[in-house]
Amino acid sequence: ETGVTQSPTHLIKTRGQQVTLRCSSQSGHNTVSWYQQALGQGPQFIFQYYREEENGRGNFPPRFSGLQFPNYSSELNVNALELDDSALYLCASSPPGGSATGKLFFGSGTQLSVL
Amino acid sequence: GESVGLHLPTLSVQEGDNSIINCAYSNSASDYFIWYKQESGKGPQFIIDIRSNMDKRQGQRVTVLLNKTVKHLSLQIAATQPGDSAVYFCAENIAGGFKTIFGAGTRLFVKA
Repeated sequence: ETGVTQSPTHLIKTRGQQVTLRCSSQSGHNTVSWYQQALGQGPQFIFQYYREEENGRGNFPPRFSGLQFPNYSSELNVNALELDDSALYLCASSPPGGSATGKLFFGSGTQLSVL
Repeated sequence: GESVGLHLPTLSVQEGDNSIINCAYSNSASDYFIWYKQESGKGPQFIIDIRSNMDKRQGQRVTVLLNKTVKHLSLQIAATQPGDSAVYFCAENIAGGFKTIFGAGTRLFVKA
């Protein structure tokens, strides 16, 4: 069984640029959530995708957007990058009904540095 | 507001001793409480969860205790091993909700 995979593992961008992060969910999982984890802090919920639609959103501006594809993989797009966007971006998938209990399966994340 | 916090940012224990990691939560409507373990360079890994209608749940070497009266959650690790060294997060979720809220984390150091 393949777990959640994310790409790329590391990324360096400059302020004002745009970035796309990718996530393949675990086999059998139909829901994908994205989290931002700043250094030394817990993950902060960005949004969740289910059936290719945004199912809920945290306190993040509209320049954070996403997609989910028919195979349940997902993308996180961030426009107009700011220095504070530097963080580890985590993707988590969950099986049908799993996200409702908070049981998430995380990838290893993409470390984004904005210079 | 929403918050899941921790009493101690770091915890150091001797190998073989028991570890207790504590967490305070603020949302009385939360139905599920979850503990995650995050090792360096990896994403959080599910350890154990407990539903709000329970006060204790045991897994392999781990026990989670829930005290809803004081909104307190704890994770007990028996016979702590070097492989248990990591950051531990408590998290909460409202049943049917889309968002799992994480605390700031406690770093556990296991001394050989």
